[in-house]
Amino acid sequence: NAGVTQTPKFRILKIGQSMTLQCTQDMNHNYMYWYRQDPGMGLKLIYYSVGAGITDKGEVPNGYNVSRSTTEDFPLRLELAAPSQTSVYFCASSSSLSGGEQFFGPGTRLTVL
Amino acid sequence: AQSVTQLGSHVSVSEGALVLLRCNYSSSVPPYLFWYVQYPNQGLQLLLKYTTGATLVKGINGFEAEFKKSETSFHLTKPSAHMSDAAEYFCAVSGKEYGNKLVFGAGTILRVKS
Repeated sequence: NAGVTQTPKFRILKIGQSMTLQCTQDMNHNYMYWYRQDPGMGLKLIYYSVGAGITDKGEVPNGYNVSRSTTEDFPLRLELAAPSQTSVYFCASSSSLSGGEQFFGPGTRLTVL
Repeated sequence: AQSVTQLGSHVSVSEGALVLLRCNYSSSVPPYLFWYVQYPNQGLQLLLKYTTGATLVKGINGFEAEFKKSETSFHLTKPSAHMSDAAEYFCAVSGKEYGNKLVFGAGTILRVKS
């Protein structure tokens, strides 16, 4: 099992550009998550999904969109990138919503200039 | 909003010394409790978790944590630090009072001196 995979590993965007961060898991988990990590701030939840076709906002959803058309994939879309979106983005998945271990991908380091 | 607090953004210990990383949560109902570790340029990996049962939880790499309800704490310890323990450690909680989401502390960077 590859676990949770994310692409790309690194990306530099110009202000106003758009991009999609890809996330795929092969553990047949229903629950998937997107976090951003900023120095000294821990991880903040952007969006999450409890199954294909169902998504919901987390703590910091502004400027992002998600979709979940399959169990395996949970892409994160950035529209009109801003310097405030410079961060490291992690995708995670789990078999339960609360109390269960979340499995994390290796992250995408995004810089917006 | 319910929160989780990690005391000390940076902790430095000598190789072979005790490691103690502190974590306190704010909810009145004990949540599920987790410690994750993040090595440089990698994702997070679960060290250990407490859901129910025995309050002393053993994890990977010789780490353990004790849930103390009276102190609303879940401190992480390791008797003897190794150079390979240098990483960032995150305490996290989930449960009904946290909206059934995983809420992370700000993290503690552990430095191990030779």
